Amino acid sequence: KNEVEQSPQNLTAQEGEFITINCSYSVGISALHWLQQHPGGGIVSLFMLSSGKKKHGRLIATINIQEKHSSLHITASHPRDSAVYICAVRSTESYNTDKLIFGTGTRLQVFP
Amino acid sequence: DVKVTQSSRYLVKRTGEKVFLECVQDMDHENMFWYRQDPGLGLRLIYFSYDVKMKEKGDIPEGYSVSREKKERFSLILESASTNQTSMYLCASSYWLIGLASRGEQYFGPGTRLTVT
Repeated sequence: KNEVEQSPQNLTAQEGEFITINCSYSVGISALHWLQQHPGGGIVSLFMLSSGKKKHGRLIATINIQEKHSSLHITASHPRDSAVYICAVRSTESYNTDKLIFGTGTRLQVFP
Repeated sequence: DVKVTQSSRYLVKRTGEKVFLECVQDMDHENMFWYRQDPGLGLRLIYFSYDVKMKEKGDIPEGYSVSREKKERFSLILESASTNQTSMYLCASSYWLIGLASRGEQYFGPGTRLTVT
């Protein structure tokens, strides 16, 4: 079993829909990252969370440390949001490095 | 604007060739990482470095070596390329994590898609 699990693996939506991507992890963590990867390969960091909730534009990330679960929400989705969204955690065992454990990603396609 | 660059976007090599992948960052970051990304497996750490001339094995170091002679440059070397090393290779960097409150975000390069024939 992977230490970081994402669901769903694939997601399609109509423009304007509210989208939720989930991430569950089984290790103790010091931080959780949400990353975005567009076709062509480049990865961009969206959020880094250690507690609570963060918002940036139409993106919202939440984390529940007790339940070892995080969600990434996209409000008013747009075709340009089509990408692979990756959850990654820094375990407490890696507190003195920056090693991350990655989920396998959620492929999102938003149609006009 | 922060930048991580990789020497090639696409590379085709023959089995048995020695392959060098270079990564350069301009953010004065201490940490640098090499990952490979394969469908269904996500990103897997090959090697990382937390200082010049320092290196640590990641999860899948077999068949690879690394070199970090300067802070800004981290090279991945495939000593004798094999077809199972066909993959997307991604470099990343981050600054040294001081404590739990540090940002510690990793900045990624654009990736090198390597095909070994």
